[in-house]
Amino acid sequence: KNEVEQSPQNLTAQEGEFITINCSYSVGISALHWLQQHPGGGIVSLFMLSSGKKKHGRLIATINIQEKHSSLHITASHPRDSAVYICAVKGLGANTGNQFYFGTGTSLTVIP
Amino acid sequence: DSGVTQTPKHLITATGQRVTLRCSPRSGDLSVYWYQQSLDQGLQFLIQYYNGEERAKGNILERFSAQQFPDLHSELNLSSLELGDSALYFCASSPLAGGVGELFFGEGSRLTVL
Repeated sequence: KNEVEQSPQNLTAQEGEFITINCSYSVGISALHWLQQHPGGGIVSLFMLSSGKKKHGRLIATINIQEKHSSLHITASHPRDSAVYICAVKGLGANTGNQFYFGTGTSLTVIP
Repeated sequence: DSGVTQTPKHLITATGQRVTLRCSPRSGDLSVYWYQQSLDQGLQFLIQYYNGEERAKGNILERFSAQQFPDLHSELNLSSLELGDSALYFCASSPLAGGVGELFFGEGSRLTVL
């Protein structure tokens, strides 16, 4: 059983398209993180959410705590957005031991 | 540059050996997290330290241990290495103990066990 489910697993888009990546989780959380990993392997944290919505440039992240769901949107996608996007949640409370749980990632390719 | 430094960047060793991975967090960050990323299992949380004390534990094997020193740097010790331990090991730091602090990742240490 995976505590974090991401969809889609793979995504190919044309440059300029609007992209949505979804994340659902099954545990109580203190925060949800969206991470970006480029082919070189390094990981960058894009957003940390505990409620509501955040925007940074062309990236928007939302979370619905009641539905245990988060989305990452990329507007006007660009080839440099090609990367793996990973959803991670920090568990809250004794049941989760305050662990991190990760989705399997969404591999995004943006074609010029 | 995240401000988190991990050494070594690459390490090749043999089965049965022991290695130590080092992480220096961003200046002022008290939390250090260790993660393992292997091809077949994706990212997995290993352990978290906050200001020198273990805070949360994930899928860390008994052959692995970690500690955080008074200067806040952390070390992950991997012993009796097996082929399956080959992976990228990431360290991240955060200013807070709980989950609501932003994470800053190091570039990772790539371990190859032959």
